[in-house]
Amino acid sequence: KQEVTQIPAALSVPEGENLVLNCSFTDSAIYNLQWFRQDPGKGLTSLLLIQSSQREQTSGRLNASLDKSSGRSTLYIAASQPGDSATYLCAVYSLNNNDMRFGAGTRLTVKP
Amino acid sequence: DVKVTQSSRYLVKRTGEKVFLECVQDMDHENMFWYRQDPGLGLRLIYFSYDVKMKEKGDIPEGYSVSREKKERFSLILESASTNQTSMYLCASSEQWGSPLHFGNGTRLTVT
Repeated sequence: KQEVTQIPAALSVPEGENLVLNCSFTDSAIYNLQWFRQDPGKGLTSLLLIQSSQREQTSGRLNASLDKSSGRSTLYIAASQPGDSATYLCAVYSLNNNDMRFGAGTRLTVKP
Repeated sequence: DVKVTQSSRYLVKRTGEKVFLECVQDMDHENMFWYRQDPGLGLRLIYFSYDVKMKEKGDIPEGYSVSREKKERFSLILESASTNQTSMYLCASSEQWGSPLHFGNGTRLTVT
């Protein structure tokens, strides 16, 4: 069964810093990986989706990479802002299970 | 933009009540999902549906049922609410298998 882990569980950085969030998964037989943002008490907002054949995807200040063979993905946030404060979750669509598995998330705080 | 609407943001129900959580999507998506989110446990899949009148159990279907009479609407039913069903409930939809998930804003259910 696919397991998805996100470390650290929480991260606090000063405004302007570049940062990396990590996601690891146990079964490399994946179809794609999706990064989400969740604000307190709200639903999830899709940020980036990487297909298994891709190495990275970019959207504005966000860059997500995928190394399927090692079971890792990173979300890079450039020039962080207080508005980036939220919980970031990754989810893996597994071929073997035919469903999406979520990590528990990393709670990011960007201090002004 | 895809819009997934959950009928209630907050609900308070008593133990033993029958509870209906409604979800509507406006993009003619094939797949719809119900998750619950609890601190420390992340998102767990309750049920999903890949077509009208079709449903499949997720990881934690016990105590829940679902209904999908129309393509745009997916209802989650708690037959007899219990306190351990107090949680954040999230509905999602996707165009097809492997497509990005789009989430509603969630329903915070409290069972007393």
